[in-house]
Amino acid sequence: EAQVTQNPRYLITVTGKKLTVTCSQNMNHEYMSWYRQDPGLGLRQIYYSMNVEVTDKGDVPEGYKVSRKEKRNFPLILESPSPNQTSLYFCASSFRPWGELFFGEGSRLTVL
Amino acid sequence: DAKTTQPPSMDCAEGRAANLPCNHSTISGNEYVYWYRQIHSQGPQYIIHGLKNNETNEMASLIITEDRKSSTLILPHATLRDTAVYYCIVRAPASGNTPLVFGKGTRLSVIA
Repeated sequence: EAQVTQNPRYLITVTGKKLTVTCSQNMNHEYMSWYRQDPGLGLRQIYYSMNVEVTDKGDVPEGYKVSRKEKRNFPLILESPSPNQTSLYFCASSFRPWGELFFGEGSRLTVL
Repeated sequence: DAKTTQPPSMDCAEGRAANLPCNHSTISGNEYVYWYRQIHSQGPQYIIHGLKNNETNEMASLIITEDRKSSTLILPHATLRDTAVYYCIVRAPASGNTPLVFGKGTRLSVIA
């Protein structure tokens, strides 16, 4: 089954404790992206990757890092999480940036 | 990418057709109209997209006016499971790194 898988789905952590949200897709998509969703602000792009070893900042990259060592994986790294990073995070992938985007189920992160 | 305007909310009786309008009066010739929906806090789901001809798939129909300044997404027989936020997005292919911009969308409530 074609899918984008994110883990963990739910996480409560404390300020400053590094964490990684994994994202994996099984559709051989070149393009992958991370979004965060906050009430009243909609979906905002954090980082994206056009292909392996190619990543770039989206609209709200501060406090996040990503890597794309393999085509299927695109982890989101929070080196030192802060409470303003409490949010619902979505990973997405597609063959092309303008193509049909497939989204993961979301990861709800709470930073205390 | 052109901006879109959607009503904030709509109701539809179960079993009836749901017609969701979208205004994109500044759309340019090479921009497509995409529709996604988000059920509760799940990942957004692609529904359909089109350029100027009407499109239909197993989920919905997309009707684009001749001047392309507006469109309507039609769910022919709405069910309770179609209750979601529906996003209309306008985007040009090969617009490179520009992410899909999800506005506030229309919250569709299907009522039994």
